[in-house]
Amino acid sequence: DTEVTQTPKHLVMGMTNKKSLKCEQHMGHRAMYWYKQKAKKPPELMFVYSYEKLSINESVPSRFSPECPNSSLLNLHLHALQPEDSALYLCASSQDRQGGHSGANVLTFGAGSRLTVL
Amino acid sequence: GENVEQHPSTLSVQEGDSAVIKCTYSDSASNYFPWYKQELGKGPQLIIDIRSNVGEKKDQRIAVTLNKTAKHFSLHITETQPEDSAVYFCAAQLDYKLSFGAGTTVTVRA
Repeated sequence: DTEVTQTPKHLVMGMTNKKSLKCEQHMGHRAMYWYKQKAKKPPELMFVYSYEKLSINESVPSRFSPECPNSSLLNLHLHALQPEDSALYLCASSQDRQGGHSGANVLTFGAGSRLTVL
Repeated sequence: GENVEQHPSTLSVQEGDSAVIKCTYSDSASNYFPWYKQELGKGPQLIIDIRSNVGEKKDQRIAVTLNKTAKHFSLHITETQPEDSAVYFCAAQLDYKLSFGAGTTVTVRA
């Protein structure tokens, strides 16, 4: 199994709603990532989990709250979002944060969750 | 941090022709350079990568070259096909972080 599965594929929420995005991988990867991608732009790193611990937070607003319940799952909890948070949210995983023995951080991305904030 | 520049931003080629996308990076310590293809409605998919100790790598119709001295790397697609139409991103890894180029929208005309 070489996939990263993200749910839901599409999500529409109001600014007062609370919702969650979910990500799952069964490749035995120990690093998992959340990226945000606006239209016609490259992915921007938000969070990195390494061995189920948050290791990197790229100064993301607190209305985004990541969670890693176990080595296969990654969640992104959303609360009080703004319309400018509308984007494609991508989950990715890699062998580990430093790229394993090869030093190459080979990321596998999911298909993304397209979020619209009204 | 690392800064990656990618050119061109759009590229239109006739089916069967070659396509070349070029990227430059700023930090000589970057050691891994992947290329991702993103089709509409999908996540980025790794298509080829190269490590800093290699100058060239080829996989069927796709090749990547790396010039560490000049700090630039390129993606070459030969015999383009309609299914090659997508957005392509180059990236450079410094420590744990991948820095992406701005992307190139490739359109293959039938």
